[in-house]
Amino acid sequence: EVQLVESGGGLVKPGGSLRLSCAGSGFTFVEYNMNWVRQAPGRGLEWVSSISGTGTDIYYADSVKGRFTISRDNAENSLYLEMSSLRAEDTALYYCSRYGMDVWGKGTTVTVSS
Amino acid sequence: QSVLTQPPSVSAAPGQRITISCSGSSSNIGSNSVSWYQQLPGTAPKLLIYDTFKRPSGIPDRFSGSKSGTSAALGITGLLTGDEADYYCGTWDNSLSAWVFGGGTKLTVL
Repeated sequence: EVQLVESGGGLVKPGGSLRLSCAGSGFTFVEYNMNWVRQAPGRGLEWVSSISGTGTDIYYADSVKGRFTISRDNAENSLYLEMSSLRAEDTALYYCSRYGMDVWGKGTTVTVSS
Repeated sequence: QSVLTQPPSVSAAPGQRITISCSGSSSNIGSNSVSWYQQLPGTAPKLLIYDTFKRPSGIPDRFSGSKSGTSAALGITGLLTGDEADYYCGTWDNSLSAWVFGGGTKLTVL
């Protein structure tokens, strides 16, 4: 079964940092581009970042550029999102998804509050 | 303000047909295929339509996708109360080098 499982969310103070992880299983991880998508409480979906299978092509939403870093470890079938200089507006449920958004994890919650 | 424009809500009675529109531009819908996602309350989004009109296995043919120019549409026939959800369109934007979503449409089946 194809599965994505996110972890690493939590409560962090404004200006703080957090690292999210996403473990993939049931498919050949390196063959797929991967994405992070977030959803603020009561709001719509917002794409955050994408990374190609080999990690050579990386894209960020303007709202997180310079603060967030996406990476992957294909040997560990894992995707990461390093978040720094966090703001209240980064509070959201963060989803990991596979290329084309065909498979989604259940998400991990990030709350930025003092 | 989303790059792709969807109506905030749509409603219809069980058994009826609805269409949800998604309006974009030449740099996104006009150039790339469109996907549609269903998000039931309290759950992660699920892919309904990819490559503009294709359905993943397990998605009933009551769901259909189409595109004309810089607009796309999701059609749902034979509405069920279980179809009540938020629906999002999405595609890649060549100018922004970013994936873009519509603001979402809340479907109510009365």
